[in-house]
Amino acid sequence: DAGVTQSPTHLIKTRGQQVTLRCSPKSGHDTVSWYQQALGQGPQFIFQYYEEEERQRGNFPDRFSGHQFPNYSSELNVNALLLGDSALYLCASSVTAPGNTIYFGEGSWLTVV
Amino acid sequence: ILNVEQSPQSLHVQEGDSTNFTCSFPSSNFYALHWYRWETAKSPEALFVMTLNGDEKKKGRISATLNTKEGYSYLYIKGSQPEDSATYLCASLWTGNQFYFGTGTSLTVIP
Repeated sequence: DAGVTQSPTHLIKTRGQQVTLRCSPKSGHDTVSWYQQALGQGPQFIFQYYEEEERQRGNFPDRFSGHQFPNYSSELNVNALLLGDSALYLCASSVTAPGNTIYFGEGSWLTVV
Repeated sequence: ILNVEQSPQSLHVQEGDSTNFTCSFPSSNFYALHWYRWETAKSPEALFVMTLNGDEKKKGRISATLNTKEGYSYLYIKGSQPEDSATYLCASLWTGNQFYFGTGTSLTVIP
Protein backbone atom coordinates (compact mmCIF):
# COMPACT_ATOMS: atom_id res chain seq x y z
CA ASP A 1 0.00 0.00 0.00
CA ALA A 2 1.63 3.22 -1.15
CA GLY A 3 1.71 5.94 1.41
CA VAL A 4 1.48 9.62 0.61
CA THR A 5 3.54 10.48 -2.44
CA GLN A 6 4.71 13.92 -3.47
CA SER A 7 6.40 15.32 -6.53
CA PRO A 8 8.77 16.78 -7.34
CA THR A 9 11.12 16.08 -4.45
CA HIS A 10 13.35 19.07 -5.13
CA LEU A 11 13.05 22.08 -7.37
CA ILE A 12 14.59 25.47 -7.88
CA LYS A 13 12.59 28.44 -9.13
CA THR A 14 13.29 32.09 -9.77
CA ARG A 15 11.59 34.95 -7.95
CA GLY A 16 8.33 35.86 -9.62
CA GLN A 17 7.79 32.44 -11.18
CA GLN A 18 4.97 30.07 -10.40
CA VAL A 19 5.24 26.53 -9.05
CA THR A 20 2.92 23.54 -8.81
CA LEU A 21 3.49 20.75 -6.30
CA ARG A 22 1.60 17.48 -6.44
CA CYS A 23 0.37 15.02 -3.84
CA SER A 24 -1.28 11.61 -4.00
CA PRO A 25 -2.89 10.63 -0.71
CA LYS A 26 -2.67 7.29 1.01
CA SER A 27 -5.16 4.79 -0.36
CA GLY A 28 -8.58 5.24 1.24
CA HIS A 29 -7.89 8.79 2.42
CA ASP A 30 -10.16 11.57 1.27
CA THR A 31 -8.66 14.63 2.97
CA VAL A 32 -5.44 16.34 1.95
CA SER A 33 -3.67 19.06 3.90
CA TRP A 34 -0.64 21.10 2.90
CA TYR A 35 2.03 22.42 5.25
CA GLN A 36 5.02 24.69 4.81
CA GLN A 37 8.09 24.13 6.92
CA ALA A 38 10.70 26.85 6.77
CA LEU A 39 14.11 26.39 8.36
CA GLY A 40 13.94 26.37 12.14
CA GLN A 41 10.16 26.29 12.29
CA GLY A 42 7.52 23.67 12.77
CA PRO A 43 5.16 22.85 9.92
CA GLN A 44 2.68 25.66 9.27
CA PHE A 45 -0.78 24.81 7.98
CA ILE A 46 -1.55 26.20 4.53
CA PHE A 47 -4.93 24.69 3.69
CA GLN A 48 -6.97 21.52 3.64
CA TYR A 49 -9.06 19.99 0.86
CA TYR A 50 -12.00 17.65 1.17
CA GLU A 51 -14.47 16.68 -1.57
CA GLU A 52 -12.59 18.89 -4.01
CA GLU A 53 -13.16 22.01 -1.93
CA GLU A 54 -10.94 24.04 0.32
CA ARG A 55 -12.30 23.35 3.78
CA GLN A 56 -9.88 25.29 5.94
CA ARG A 57 -7.11 27.76 5.35
CA GLY A 58 -4.20 28.93 7.43
CA ASN A 59 -2.60 32.34 7.45
CA PHE A 60 -1.17 32.31 3.92
CA PRO A 61 -1.68 34.89 1.17
CA ASP A 62 -3.82 34.30 -1.90
CA ARG A 63 -0.67 33.54 -3.89
CA PHE A 64 -1.04 30.08 -2.38
CA SER A 65 -3.86 28.16 -4.00
CA GLY A 66 -4.77 24.55 -4.38
CA HIS A 67 -6.95 22.00 -5.96
CA GLN A 68 -8.23 18.54 -5.18
CA PHE A 69 -9.20 16.14 -7.94
CA PRO A 70 -11.96 13.50 -7.94
CA ASN A 71 -9.35 10.82 -7.17
CA TYR A 72 -8.43 12.83 -4.02
CA SER A 73 -5.01 13.81 -5.31
CA SER A 74 -4.11 17.44 -4.82
CA GLU A 75 -1.98 20.26 -6.13
CA LEU A 76 -0.48 23.25 -4.37
CA ASN A 77 0.19 26.29 -6.55
CA VAL A 78 2.26 29.26 -5.53
CA ASN A 79 2.30 32.34 -7.75
CA ALA A 80 4.73 35.25 -7.84
CA LEU A 81 7.32 33.36 -5.83
CA LEU A 82 9.27 35.20 -3.18
CA LEU A 83 12.61 34.25 -1.66
CA GLY A 84 10.75 33.62 1.59
CA ASP A 85 8.71 30.87 -0.04
CA SER A 86 11.79 28.65 0.04
CA ALA A 87 10.81 25.79 2.30
CA LEU A 88 9.84 22.16 2.58
CA TYR A 89 6.24 21.65 1.53
CA LEU A 90 4.58 18.69 3.15
CA CYS A 91 1.38 17.01 2.08
CA ALA A 92 -0.62 15.02 4.61
CA SER A 93 -3.62 12.82 4.06
CA SER A 94 -6.24 11.44 6.39
CA VAL A 95 -9.74 10.08 6.54
CA THR A 96 -11.96 12.96 7.41
CA ALA A 97 -12.71 12.76 11.11
CA PRO A 98 -11.30 15.09 13.72
CA GLY A 99 -8.38 13.55 15.54
CA ASN A 100 -7.63 10.81 13.01
CA THR A 101 -3.97 10.15 12.38
CA ILE A 102 -2.57 12.09 9.46
CA TYR A 103 0.09 10.57 7.24
CA PHE A 104 2.76 12.69 5.64
CA GLY A 105 4.63 12.48 2.38
CA GLU A 106 8.36 13.08 2.26
CA GLY A 107 7.87 16.61 1.06
CA SER A 108 8.92 18.82 -1.80
CA TRP A 109 11.92 21.04 -1.25
CA LEU A 110 11.42 24.37 -2.98
CA THR A 111 14.28 26.82 -3.35
CA VAL A 112 13.53 30.27 -4.76
CA VAL A 113 16.53 32.18 -6.05
CA ILE B 1 -2.81 31.29 15.60
CA LEU B 2 -2.51 28.97 18.58
CA ASN B 3 0.92 28.48 20.12
CA VAL B 4 2.23 24.98 20.61
CA GLU B 5 5.62 24.95 22.28
CA GLN B 6 8.12 22.18 22.64
CA SER B 7 11.11 21.99 24.92
CA PRO B 8 13.94 21.51 24.84
CA GLN B 9 14.70 22.51 21.26
CA SER B 10 17.49 19.94 21.07
CA LEU B 11 18.85 17.21 23.26
CA HIS B 12 21.93 15.01 23.23
CA VAL B 13 21.93 11.87 25.37
CA GLN B 14 24.14 8.84 25.75
CA GLU B 15 22.97 5.46 24.53
CA GLY B 16 21.06 3.76 27.32
CA ASP B 17 19.93 6.98 29.00
CA SER B 18 16.26 7.66 29.44
CA THR B 19 14.94 11.03 28.40
CA ASN B 20 11.78 13.07 28.16
CA PHE B 21 10.56 16.25 26.55
CA THR B 22 7.53 18.47 26.71
CA CYS B 23 4.79 19.78 24.47
CA SER B 24 2.72 22.70 25.81
CA PHE B 25 -0.52 23.91 24.26
CA PRO B 26 -3.50 26.09 25.15
CA SER B 27 -5.89 23.95 27.15
CA SER B 28 -9.15 25.61 26.12
CA ASN B 29 -11.17 23.92 23.36
CA PHE B 30 -8.65 21.11 23.16
CA TYR B 31 -9.57 18.17 20.94
CA ALA B 32 -6.52 15.96 20.38
CA LEU B 33 -2.75 15.83 20.58
CA HIS B 34 -0.55 13.95 18.12
CA TRP B 35 3.11 13.01 18.45
CA TYR B 36 5.24 12.42 15.36
CA ARG B 37 8.74 11.11 14.90
CA TRP B 38 10.60 12.64 11.97
CA GLU B 39 13.86 11.21 10.75
CA THR B 40 15.97 13.16 8.28
CA ALA B 41 14.97 12.60 4.64
CA LYS B 42 11.87 10.64 5.63
CA SER B 43 8.25 11.57 6.22
CA PRO B 44 7.02 12.25 9.75
CA GLU B 45 5.75 9.05 11.30
CA ALA B 46 2.77 9.07 13.65
CA LEU B 47 3.56 7.82 17.16
CA PHE B 48 0.51 8.57 19.28
CA VAL B 49 -2.91 10.18 19.10
CA MET B 50 -4.15 11.27 22.52
CA THR B 51 -7.49 12.80 23.35
CA LEU B 52 -8.42 12.26 26.98
CA ASN B 53 -7.00 13.94 30.05
CA GLY B 54 -4.78 11.43 31.81
CA ASP B 55 -4.20 9.38 28.65
CA GLU B 56 -1.05 7.32 28.64
CA LYS B 57 0.15 5.62 25.50
CA LYS B 58 3.09 3.30 24.98
CA LYS B 59 4.90 1.95 21.94
CA GLY B 60 7.93 -0.14 22.78
CA ARG B 61 10.36 2.03 24.72
CA ILE B 62 8.45 5.23 23.93
CA SER B 63 5.51 6.45 25.98
CA ALA B 64 3.50 9.63 26.30
CA THR B 65 1.17 11.23 28.81
CA LEU B 66 -1.43 13.95 28.40
CA ASN B 67 -2.74 16.62 30.76
CA THR B 68 -5.44 18.61 28.98
CA LYS B 69 -6.35 20.70 32.01
CA GLU B 70 -2.94 22.28 32.30
CA GLY B 71 -2.09 21.94 28.61
CA TYR B 72 0.94 19.71 28.34
CA SER B 73 2.09 16.34 27.13
CA TYR B 74 5.31 14.49 27.94
CA LEU B 75 7.09 12.06 25.66
CA TYR B 76 9.43 9.58 27.36
CA ILE B 77 12.06 7.37 25.79
CA LYS B 78 13.47 4.63 27.99
CA GLY B 79 16.99 3.33 27.30
CA SER B 80 17.65 5.55 24.27
CA GLN B 81 19.21 3.92 21.24
CA PRO B 82 21.01 5.60 18.30
CA GLU B 83 18.04 4.73 16.06
CA ASP B 84 15.87 6.95 18.27
CA SER B 85 17.74 9.98 16.92
CA ALA B 86 15.13 12.11 15.18
CA THR B 87 13.01 15.21 15.58
CA TYR B 88 9.93 14.64 17.69
CA LEU B 89 6.98 16.85 16.74
CA CYS B 90 3.78 17.39 18.61
CA ALA B 91 0.64 18.79 17.02
CA SER B 92 -2.50 19.93 18.76
CA LEU B 93 -5.96 19.91 17.26
CA TRP B 94 -8.74 22.21 18.33
CA THR B 95 -12.02 22.80 16.56
CA GLY B 96 -12.09 21.73 12.96
CA ASN B 97 -9.32 19.74 11.39
CA GLN B 98 -6.44 22.19 11.61
CA PHE B 99 -3.36 21.00 13.41
CA TYR B 100 -0.93 23.38 15.06
CA PHE B 101 2.59 22.01 15.25
CA GLY B 102 5.36 22.76 17.68
CA THR B 103 8.85 23.40 16.36
CA GLY B 104 10.04 19.98 17.48
CA THR B 105 12.66 18.55 19.78
CA SER B 106 15.74 17.26 17.99
CA LEU B 107 17.11 14.21 19.79
CA THR B 108 20.61 12.86 19.18
CA VAL B 109 21.57 9.62 20.88
CA ILE B 110 25.33 9.19 21.12
CA PRO B 111 26.59 5.61 20.89
